[in-house]
Amino acid sequence: AQRVTQPEKLLSVFKGAPVELKCNYSYSGSPELFWYVQYSRQRLQLLLRHISRESIKGFTADLNKGETSFHLKKPFAQEEDSAMYYCALSGEVSGSARQLTFGSGTQLTVLP
Amino acid sequence: NAGVTQTPKFRILKIGQSMTLQCTQDMNHNYMYWYRQDPGMGLKLIYYSVGAGITDKGEVPNGYNVSRSTTEDFPLRLELAAPSQTSVYFCASRGRDGEWSTGELFFGEGSRLTVL
Repeated sequence: AQRVTQPEKLLSVFKGAPVELKCNYSYSGSPELFWYVQYSRQRLQLLLRHISRESIKGFTADLNKGETSFHLKKPFAQEEDSAMYYCALSGEVSGSARQLTFGSGTQLTVLP
Repeated sequence: NAGVTQTPKFRILKIGQSMTLQCTQDMNHNYMYWYRQDPGMGLKLIYYSVGAGITDKGEVPNGYNVSRSTTEDFPLRLELAAPSQTSVYFCASRGRDGEWSTGELFFGEGSRLTVL
């Protein structure tokens, strides 16, 4: 079975400080990893995916297969980054489609 | 372009009552999903559908039913509401997987259900 673990439920950093949101996964095959974000009073939306190797809003995430991790990083946090962040994994085909398994989420608060 | 639309946004039910959460999408997506979000527990998959007429159980299907008579609509039915079904429910959709990638999931705004 595939699993995603986000060990931090809450994370607070000061504006301008670096931030790292941790994500570890368990999956025997080649996973596809995502970060989704939910800003206050907005719907959940895709932030970035590992396959694109892109930087979105200053965030990056590198897939480390050796450590089975996909941590989300930003060198200088901004107040508008405050949100709930979910790590997600697409791997196994269950029933009739590949499934996304979500972690439990990390609430990031960037303090002024 | 409305994307994924869920109704109602809020609902309070008494134990044993029934209700349907509506979900519709206008992106012609094949895949549709229902998740529930409990505090500190992340998103759990209830049911999903890969196209009209096809539905499958997810991780936590007990107490729920779904149907997919059209590409656009994927309603979630609670037959006998229980306090354990108090949660925030999200509907989502995505297009077909690409050759190398799972498609992006588009979410509705959520429906907050309380069962008393």
